[in-house]
Amino acid sequence: AQTVTQSQPEMSVQEAETVTLSCTYDTSESDYYLFWYKQPPSRQMILVIRQEAYKQQNATENRFSVNFQKAAKSFSLKISDSQLGDAAMYFCALIQGAQKLVFGQGTRLTINP
Amino acid sequence: EADIYQTPRYLVIGTGKKITLECSQTMGHDKMYWYQQDPGMELHLIHYSYGVNSTEKGDLSSESTVSRIRTEHFPLTLESARPSHTSQYLCASSLPGLAGNNEQFFGPGTRLTVL
Repeated sequence: AQTVTQSQPEMSVQEAETVTLSCTYDTSESDYYLFWYKQPPSRQMILVIRQEAYKQQNATENRFSVNFQKAAKSFSLKISDSQLGDAAMYFCALIQGAQKLVFGQGTRLTINP
Repeated sequence: EADIYQTPRYLVIGTGKKITLECSQTMGHDKMYWYQQDPGMELHLIHYSYGVNSTEKGDLSSESTVSRIRTEHFPLTLESARPSHTSQYLCASSLPGLAGNNEQFFGPGTRLTVL
């Protein structure tokens, strides 16, 4: 069975600083996809970034990047130059084949002005 | 933002009432999902559908039921609401096929309170 673990229930960072959110997972498959989703307060959940397991290069999307360590089954999200609009719940998620998406417990990120 | 809609956004209702939470998407996605999000904010899959006339129960047992008569529509029904049903309900949809296409698009959610 697939599992996703986010060990940081809450994180905070000063505006303009860099923060890293942790995620570890477990799967028996070698081909899978990992995602980070963002859920702002009272707003829709949106996809932040996606990583294909067969790609060694870490995905990046503007200020968001991941550190994908396949052997360690680790998938952390780095947010550079944090902005007030980055404040949200962040969910790490995993999917393999035609299976269902499995979410982590979430990390609440606070941005301090 | 994604073209997936949920109504109502907020609902406060008394115990024993029948309710239907609506979810519709205009993206032509075959796969649709219902999640329950508890106070600790963790997401639990309660129902999913891979296409018209296909419905399956998710990982978390739920007293709700769903139907999928049209591709774009995936309503969730509670025959008799109870205070334990108080939660946020999120609907999502995704393309069919392999995992790489399985980015899920989420609706804004319905926050249900049962008194």
